Amino acid sequence: DVKVTQSSRYLVKRTGEKVFLECVQDMDHENMFWYRQDPGLGLRLIYFSYDVKMKEKGDIPEGYSVSREKKERFSLILESASTNQTSMYLCASSGAGGAYEQYFGPGTRLTVT
Amino acid sequence: DQQVKQNSPSLSVQEGRISILNCDYTNSMFDYFLWYKKYPAEGPTFLISISSIKDKNEDGRFTVFLNKSAKHLSLHIVPSQPGDSAVYFCAANGNTGNQFYFGTGTSLTVIP
Repeated sequence: DVKVTQSSRYLVKRTGEKVFLECVQDMDHENMFWYRQDPGLGLRLIYFSYDVKMKEKGDIPEGYSVSREKKERFSLILESASTNQTSMYLCASSGAGGAYEQYFGPGTRLTVT
Repeated sequence: DQQVKQNSPSLSVQEGRISILNCDYTNSMFDYFLWYKKYPAEGPTFLISISSIKDKNEDGRFTVFLNKSAKHLSLHIVPSQPGDSAVYFCAANGNTGNQFYFGTGTSLTVIP
């Protein structure tokens, strides 16, 4: 079974703090993704990576950066957290190309106060 | 602009009846479509997929139908069970790209 793990289930941070969200997958997948889920807006793609050290902006990259130094690990960084970044963050991985399903982690509920 | 749309935010169905969840897309380059199920406080889990070379795919109680000319897909759940109560997302992908596009989700409630 594919396993995607995220470093925290719940996180509370203060405005202006730098926040790191970590994601690890164990299926040697080429692609990894970060989404945020907000009520009424569905899943919106922040960044994705199709290879080590490679990254592509998604639909809402502003205020975020990512790092992929190893194939199994994909980190999302909030450079200076703001209250509008309070959300559920979901990491996913998939095989290369389009015809593969994504496997999701359990999510991190981030609250910025 | 939303390329994948789920126009019904919620749906209620009696246990044992059919649930039909709908999804529309705008990009004719999409050729792989998926449905995910999500419980509260959990990540989405893959349910069923369909390639554009097919118009139907079945897996047990779940069937996905694809109408390419209408750019429409639907998920049928028969018979519906209380455990099916969850948010369902449809997603689409173009075979040449790695990015998936998700709809906004439909919350299904199956009433015992």
